[in-house]
Amino acid sequence: DGGITQSPKYLFRKEGQNVTLSCEQNLNHDAMYWYRQDPGQGLRLIYYSQIVNDFQKGDIAEGYSVSREKKESFPLTVTSAQKNPTAFYLCASNVGLNTEAFFGQGTRLTVV
Amino acid sequence: ILNVEQSPQSLHVQEGDSTNFTCSFPSSNFYALHWYRWETAKSPEALFVMTLNGDEKKKGRISATLNTKEGYSYLYIKGSQPEDSATYLCAFDTGRRALTFGSGTRLQVQP
Repeated sequence: DGGITQSPKYLFRKEGQNVTLSCEQNLNHDAMYWYRQDPGQGLRLIYYSQIVNDFQKGDIAEGYSVSREKKESFPLTVTSAQKNPTAFYLCASNVGLNTEAFFGQGTRLTVV
Repeated sequence: ILNVEQSPQSLHVQEGDSTNFTCSFPSSNFYALHWYRWETAKSPEALFVMTLNGDEKKKGRISATLNTKEGYSYLYIKGSQPEDSATYLCAFDTGRRALTFGSGTRLQVQP
């Protein structure tokens, strides 16, 4: 089945640690995105990539980094510089801008 | 940062009721307006992608309208069923970058 796989589903991080969230898609989509959701808020854009080896900052990129070395993969690293990383993270992809997005099931990150 | 607003924030209705929600978005730089349904413990799924002023889309009991000149879209659910319980998200598309989402309307349908 085609789709987007995020792992892990739950992640616990100690203060000061970097963690990487995985996002893999087998839909042959060019564009991939990372969003963050906090309670009572909508999805906020962290980073997006329209093509391999290229990505752009979204609205809340500070404290995060990404790479896009393969079309299928768009990992997100939450660095120690991110002041409030506890949140729900969603990865999405689409054929390109202006088309419907497909989403993974999300990773819930908690700082302990 | 683009401002996309949805109202109401939450809604409780009885089975069989019809209901509607609103999405407000900037009237400039419009390319498309997306609606997604997000059920608990699942991934958001696309309902509609609307591009033309005056456009109306329908999928079963769910329909949506679009007014790009005044910057709003309505989502209607006719005869709500418990399985319609979900958060409904709209997303504004400028055609130049990733989607900007509203905070959603959480619908609960009581049997």
